[in-house]
Amino acid sequence: KDQVFQPSTVASSEGAVVEIFCNHSVSNAYNFFWYLHFPGCAPRLLVKGSKPSQQGRYNMTYERFSSSLLILQVREADAAVYYCAVEDCNTGKLIFGQGTTLQVKP
Amino acid sequence: EAQVTQNPRYLITVTGKKLTVTCSQNMNHEYMSWYRQDPGLGLRQIYYSMNVEVTDKGDVPEGYKVSRKEKRNFPLILESPSPNQTSLYFCASSASSPGLYDIEYFGPGTRLLVL
Repeated sequence: KDQVFQPSTVASSEGAVVEIFCNHSVSNAYNFFWYLHFPGCAPRLLVKGSKPSQQGRYNMTYERFSSSLLILQVREADAAVYYCAVEDCNTGKLIFGQGTTLQVKP
Repeated sequence: EAQVTQNPRYLITVTGKKLTVTCSQNMNHEYMSWYRQDPGLGLRQIYYSMNVEVTDKGDVPEGYKVSRKEKRNFPLILESPSPNQTSLYFCASSASSPGLYDIEYFGPGTRLLVL
């Protein structure tokens, strides 16, 4: 079954670099998407692509079946849920992981 | 301002009482979809629509209906809600099928409790 896997929780301390890992079993998927979701707000796209990329403090690594979101100099305000998704090129739909809750200790 | 809006944002109802959650986008997007978010299960697609009068089932369509009579609106209908439909619902839209070149924009979510 086509699935996207990511850890349910990641904990970090302020100022550190946090890595959230994601991998998938979707045979015809090449693009990763990382979304940030604060409760009560709309999920929003942070970074995407089929190669390593960076948007501000957010870095995305890329392998064919895995990607990591790296958050530099993490802050308490970064505590949220981070979703990994891949684009299934057969259906044109995004398949989402279960979301990773980031906990940040001061 | 480009946005996806949903109403209501919060809803408490009882089993069997039909309800509709509205979704509207002002970006002239062709593609719209509904997701539900449940703890440990992430975002799962309920229904999607490629364009007006074109809708299709997502991964978890049971118990839901949708319609797409106009481009901007994509209401989610629960004909006979049940407690297992208690969830957080997101509407989303994109210019065409979401992917590298057409980002999916999400609404703020509707939290539904079915008693």
